[in-house]
Amino acid sequence: QSALTQPPSASGSPGQSVTISCTGTSSDVGANNYVSWYQQHPGKAPKFMIYEVNKRPSGVPDRFSGSKSGNTASLTVSGLQAEDEADYYCCSYAGFKPVFGTGTKVTVL
Amino acid sequence: EVQLVESGGGLVQPGGSLRLSCAASGFTVSSDYMSWVRQAPGKGLEWVSVIHNGGGNTFYADSVKGRFTISRDNSKNTLYLQMNSLRVEDTAVYYCARMARGGFDVWGQGTMGIVSS
Repeated sequence: QSALTQPPSASGSPGQSVTISCTGTSSDVGANNYVSWYQQHPGKAPKFMIYEVNKRPSGVPDRFSGSKSGNTASLTVSGLQAEDEADYYCCSYAGFKPVFGTGTKVTVL
Repeated sequence: EVQLVESGGGLVQPGGSLRLSCAASGFTVSSDYMSWVRQAPGKGLEWVSVIHNGGGNTFYADSVKGRFTISRDNSKNTLYLQMNSLRVEDTAVYYCARMARGGFDVWGQGTMGIVSS
């Protein structure tokens, strides 16, 4: 199973929005609504940010939102803040096996 | 507080073995799906294995099938990953994670396994 495709990098100024895409196939992203997103700061464990395409766990700011269209899911971070600078990974399922995206480094300019 | 704490990482030669442990607190490992996810230095996340709740069905990524074994000890509330026939490319930080709501909602801090001669 191949990794889902994400852009290597994205950036925005404080207060702006940035959107990260996560492209898969009809066998994974397009096959179900179990898309999740993770934020990872350097040297830290990933953090659960979005589940089931567009739901936020408690404690995650509403500046983070998710969506999906066909085989592509997206994460949008609105009102960028310095602490949002991190790597972001999407995840879906190919059958019953999880598959992660390639990761996107978000830089706050 | 829900928490996962991994241990057991270290340096091993190619062909050797390591056994990773993941102690859980605040919930019961046998009640949830539990996974191992790894991250090679400077690389992305890679799912490794899952053990289901209840009957404990197990599944593996193709890259580790036949070499790694996931298990749990309900009495110790601990998850394990037995890694045999290790290769240089298995060098990574290994995270245990609870699976819920279709994703990985709780993560440990990770333990580093280095395979090198």
